[in-house]
Amino acid sequence: DAGVTQSPTHLIKTRGQQVTLRCSPKSGHDTVSWYQQALGQGPQFIFQYYEEEERQRGNFPDRFSGHQFPNYSSELNVNALLLGDSALYLCASSRVTSAYEQYFGPGTRLTVT
Amino acid sequence: RKEVEQDPGPFNVPEGATVAFNCTYSNSASQSFFWYRQDCRKEPKLLMSVYSSGNEDGRFTAQLNRASQYISLLIRDSKLSDSATYLCVVRAKTSYDKVIFGPGTSLSVIP
Repeated sequence: DAGVTQSPTHLIKTRGQQVTLRCSPKSGHDTVSWYQQALGQGPQFIFQYYEEEERQRGNFPDRFSGHQFPNYSSELNVNALLLGDSALYLCASSRVTSAYEQYFGPGTRLTVT
Repeated sequence: RKEVEQDPGPFNVPEGATVAFNCTYSNSASQSFFWYRQDCRKEPKLLMSVYSSGNEDGRFTAQLNRASQYISLLIRDSKLSDSATYLCVVRAKTSYDKVIFGPGTSLSVIP
C-alpha cells in the first residue's frame, strides 16, 4: 500500500519565480492538506482540498494556490516567491470521514535564493 | 498568544529516564488532540491520539485536561530511538475544521 508521495524532494528557486509542488495521497484517501514548515517550527496549515475544491484555508496570501485532480492528487502553486517561502512543504492525506487522521508525505524542501 | 504552545525544550535525558512534555491550547472549541513524532528532516508521524480519559500505548501515556486546556505526553524508560521532536496537535471545530500544530519539543536520549 503506497503511502503519501510528494515531488520533487528538493527544489531551489530564485525570488520572484513560481513553483509547483505535487502530492499523491495514500490509497483510499480523498482529502489533501498542505502545510508549510519553517526550520524549528511546527507545520502551518496552508489549505485543504476535497472533491477538487478548496475547503479550508489558513493564514496564507493568495500567492499560494492549489488544485486537486479527479484522482485525488494535488498541486500546490506559489507565485512571486519570497526568501521567506523557503521551508519544508508537507502534504497530508486523509479520508473526509476521519479528516484528522492525517498521513504525511516526506515533504518537498524549497529553497528560495 | 499562540493557539498551541509547548515546552520549548530541548530535553536531554539519559536512557531509561522518564520524561514528560506539556502542551496548552487556547481555543476552547478544540475537540481532538494528538501527539505526532517528527524525526530530523522527516515528515511528522502520528504517535497517538489523546482521549479525555487518558490513554496509554506501551511506554507512552497521554493525558488531557479540558478544564485547564492542557495535554501531556509521558515517556517511560526512554530509548535512544525516542530521540525526535514531539508535536502537539489540536483540532478545533469552528466555522470549519482547524488543525493546529504546536512548535514541537525536541528530545534527545543520551546513552
